[in-house]
Amino acid sequence: GDSVTQMEGPVTLSEEAFLTINCTYTATGYPSLFWYVQYPGEGLQLLLKATKADDKGSNKGFEATYRKETTSFHLEKGSVQVSDSAVYFCALRETGNQFYFGTGTSLTVIP
Amino acid sequence: GAVVSQHPSRVICKSGTSVKIECRSLDFQATTMFWYRQFPKQSLMLMATSNEGSKATYEQGVEKDKFLINHASLTLSTLTVTSAHPEDSSFYICSVGVGGNQPQHFGDGTRLSIL
Repeated sequence: GDSVTQMEGPVTLSEEAFLTINCTYTATGYPSLFWYVQYPGEGLQLLLKATKADDKGSNKGFEATYRKETTSFHLEKGSVQVSDSAVYFCALRETGNQFYFGTGTSLTVIP
Repeated sequence: GAVVSQHPSRVICKSGTSVKIECRSLDFQATTMFWYRQFPKQSLMLMATSNEGSKATYEQGVEKDKFLINHASLTLSTLTVTSAHPEDSSFYICSVGVGGNQPQHFGDGTRLSIL
């Protein structure tokens, strides 16, 4: 079945450091891929998405490229800020509205 | 602005109490809404799919008599945790699916604490 594997955290970085959070997926078809962010005490917010191979999703300095050959959708940001501290979830949707989430990666950015 | 409104945001109540959580779609009619549960430091687990005008579809292992779902209109789904116990304490999040390749829109969640 469909699944998402996400790098385990927690991740702690200094401000302005480079961020990579790995995400790989298993799917039988051609899923859409998403990154969601959850700030403390809040629900999930869509960060970015990609709907087909080689698409690059980007938002707020974050980027992720849909790599079909490696079944990956790694999240990157060139220079993190303290305000980026949150939990990041990789997710996929193949058909209908059924989403599959990774386990989440907690990011803490220290000044 | 918000697309999905979830209420209440936090509930603290005694064991044995039933708690109702509302999820409203603000911008569009939603024939399908989803209810997730999130334990501390874990991912979201889909509990059930709420279908307007029909019975909800529950995931394996989720007690339908414990977690009652009503989707009476195209903009409102409710989750009632019946006779809640401390092990039901969790973060409950609803979402609305638009379909196609569009992402789900999530509510801000309800933190339920059973004493």
